[in-house]
Amino acid sequence: GDSVTQMEGPVTLSEEAFLTINCTYTATGYPSLFWYVQYPGEGLQLLLKATKADDKGSNKGFEATYRKETTSFHLEKGSVQVSDSAVYFCALISGSARQLTFGSGTQLTVLP
Amino acid sequence: ETGVTQSPTHLIKTRGQQVTLRCSSQSGHNTVSWYQQALGQGPQFIFQYYREEENGRGNFPPRFSGLQFPNYSSELNVNALELDDSALYLCASSLEVGEQFFGPGTRLTVL
Repeated sequence: GDSVTQMEGPVTLSEEAFLTINCTYTATGYPSLFWYVQYPGEGLQLLLKATKADDKGSNKGFEATYRKETTSFHLEKGSVQVSDSAVYFCALISGSARQLTFGSGTQLTVLP
Repeated sequence: ETGVTQSPTHLIKTRGQQVTLRCSSQSGHNTVSWYQQALGQGPQFIFQYYREEENGRGNFPPRFSGLQFPNYSSELNVNALELDDSALYLCASSLEVGEQFFGPGTRLTVL
């Protein structure tokens, strides 16, 4: 079945550092790919998405490029802020119900 | 526009009991999906309801069941609770198979 593998956490960075969170996937066909963010005590918020190969999703300074040849969708941000501290989930959508398959999440802590 | 809401926020039950969780979908949405998020894990798809019919199911036993009402709100029922059912239960609504918008979740603890 479909699966998503994320870089193990937790990740701790200083403010203004560069962020990369790795994500690879296994799926039949050509799934749409997503990054979700979960702040403490809250539900999931869509951060960005890409629906086909070579698409780049971007939002709030975060970027990820859909790489079909490496089945990857790594999340990057050039300069993180304390407010970016959260858990980040990579996900793909597939199946007749278009259900989301999530990775296990990466906890990011940004220190001032 | 009201977002996705879930009730209750927290719930404590004992093993063997039954529980009902509720979700109100975002205005204009006709599809509700339920996910279980165990501590430290990513959410796992339980099932989806579209226009009051089950439209897909993940790898969960039959004691997990659901309903969707004519106003597109939804319930998740879990019978014969087990300790491993302790988790955050997330509801997401969408219009057809569009973007899913998540509620804040219900934290269920089974003792």
